Amino acid sequence: ETGVTQSPTHLIKTRGQQVTLRCSSQSGHNTVSWYQQALGQGPQFIFQYYREEENGRGNFPPRFSGLQFPNYSSELNVNALELDDSALYLCASRYGLAGPPYNEQFFGPGTRLTVL
Amino acid sequence: AQTVTQSQPEMSVQEAETVTLSCTYDTSESDYYLFWYKQPPSRQMILVIRQEAYKQQNATENRFSVNFQKAAKSFSLKISDSQLGDAAMYFCASFGNEKLTFGTGTRLTIIP
Repeated sequence: ETGVTQSPTHLIKTRGQQVTLRCSSQSGHNTVSWYQQALGQGPQFIFQYYREEENGRGNFPPRFSGLQFPNYSSELNVNALELDDSALYLCASRYGLAGPPYNEQFFGPGTRLTVL
Repeated sequence: AQTVTQSQPEMSVQEAETVTLSCTYDTSESDYYLFWYKQPPSRQMILVIRQEAYKQQNATENRFSVNFQKAAKSFSLKISDSQLGDAAMYFCASFGNEKLTFGTGTRLTIIP
């Protein structure tokens, strides 16, 4: 167990709808990253939040947005869902922006999103 | 920019034997870290082993060790004394510019 939780576990939506995925980081972790893992692929970086501000984004359109809250929870919002958004969405938390070995990333179990 | 390539979609090994998973990478970062993650069917991404690029010595964690060839940009994972619980997807990843870049993964099957 990493201490990072995500909800819901599974979710089914239809094309054009909006979805919110939630992540609860380890206590004290002020950095959260979100990744999209399509079936049979490795995770791809969506964006990162540090102290409630977005401070890095991968190659994802603006309809992917996020929020980070002071209580170490965060959200990933996706608007105008497309079929290709079907994937496992992972969040990972750590303390600070610097990399390892001092700031190990801890992953949640993911939310499986299916878009019909 | 970083890229990570895993050329073995699937591997299998007999229980108690040794297996090596391959990974190559490319990065423009001067300071970076390399990882192997394990993702079992439960989907939780679990860190197996980490290598700091500035260290020449290969990392070792119990039955897991890496062969880090910086000039060749190669980072392979060796699993010794394979156990049934090692069955999973294994992802090679690099950390640079504050984010992880993953390969496409290798599915490891353990044959009893």
